[in-house]
Amino acid sequence: GQQLNQSPQSMFIQEGEDVSMNCTSSSIFNTWLWYKQDPGEGPVLLIALYKAGELTSNGRLTAQFGITRKDSFLNISASIPSDVGIYFCAGQLGGGSQGNLIFGKGTKLSVKP
Amino acid sequence: SQTIHQWPATLVQPVGSPLSLECTVEGTSNPNLYWYRQAAGRGLQLLFYSIGIGQISSEVPQNLSASRPQDRQFILSSKKLLLSDSGFYLCAWSVLGRLGSPLHFGNGTRLTVT
Repeated sequence: GQQLNQSPQSMFIQEGEDVSMNCTSSSIFNTWLWYKQDPGEGPVLLIALYKAGELTSNGRLTAQFGITRKDSFLNISASIPSDVGIYFCAGQLGGGSQGNLIFGKGTKLSVKP
Repeated sequence: SQTIHQWPATLVQPVGSPLSLECTVEGTSNPNLYWYRQAAGRGLQLLFYSIGIGQISSEVPQNLSASRPQDRQFILSSKKLLLSDSGFYLCAWSVLGRLGSPLHFGNGTRLTVT
């Protein structure tokens, strides 16, 4: 089946540093979604991308829908301790009620104060 | 606004015992509903999804079953739990039929089978 390659698997950074993570696939997606999961909680939607080339910001977060529709990246600027968590990308093939949403395996972010 | 509730938050059950996890959504009608399992705090595995009352699709063969007795209620069950059923179970909803509609997750149930 389709797979998303999300990298890096984990990151240890200093507070104030910028963060970049990405997802790639051999499949073309119609939608890219980025989620953040805090420990012991469900993932929360951060950014949704619907058009190739689209660049969307949400506060210190910026995500882009790759022009080939096979990749997406998420950047976090000036990281703070509360950015700690697991970040998931998800690609949606579209069509059908289930939408064929495929998740990456996550990037675990640790921030040192 | 829409909200999703899952319970219980944590559960410890012995091997061979039954399971029932419940999820309800408020503030929307005819949602798509989903059950995911997450092992070791990482990847999300889709277990079941439903596009309507009584309509359940299973993504992986397993010891679990799902039911949707009401429009906004989704239940995950097992007749006899296995050790391998331990994990973090997440319920989610999305807008039915809307292309690209994101999933919105509940806060999860941590299940430990002993």
